[in-house]
Amino acid sequence: EDQVTQSPEALRLQEGESSSLNCSYTVSGLRGLFWYRQDPGKGPEFLFTLYSAGEEKEKERLKATLTKKESFLHITAPKPEDSATYLCAVQGTTGRRALTFGSGTRLQVQP
Amino acid sequence: EPEVTQTPSHQVTQMGQEVILRCVPISNHLYFYWYRQILGQKVEFLVSFYNNEISEKSEIFDDQFSVERPDGSNFTLKIRSTKLEDSAMYFCASSGLAKYFGPGTRLTVL
Repeated sequence: EDQVTQSPEALRLQEGESSSLNCSYTVSGLRGLFWYRQDPGKGPEFLFTLYSAGEEKEKERLKATLTKKESFLHITAPKPEDSATYLCAVQGTTGRRALTFGSGTRLQVQP
Repeated sequence: EPEVTQTPSHQVTQMGQEVILRCVPISNHLYFYWYRQILGQKVEFLVSFYNNEISEKSEIFDDQFSVERPDGSNFTLKIRSTKLEDSAMYFCASSGLAKYFGPGTRLTVL
């Protein structure tokens, strides 16, 4: 069974204070690892898909990296508008095509 | 940018009533999904749909649930007899190279 564990559960940063969110995963074979942003009461907003260890993707202040066991979402010089819950999900190569989600990291960036 | 749309945004119903949640997936996508998120909990997979039939479903998706693609654009989730524990956000997603989620329907069962 695919499993995803995210840490920390919550993170409070000052504006401009860079940090990283962790996503550890167990999957029989990785088809893709997904990062989403979710604002309260809204649907997950797609950020990145990573497919193989060593891959990196960037979007504005966010950079996602992938190893064989975990993924990191690095946030550089965050702004208050980056405050949200960040979700990690995996899709395996065997079994279901659907995503298995972690519980998310609630990020609060204070001005 | 194409997007997944869902209606209604909020549905309030009495226990035991039937509800239909509607989604318009991204037009050139082939796989469609329903997920749900109970308040404060993880996003959970319910069912996936490909080539006009269910391709997989989770243990949550019991006989009370059904999905249809009644025409070329809409994708629906029906709950036949709602229970209190069905109260959640229901998200539709469609998949091309990435999985895009709709804004969700908040279902409140009283």
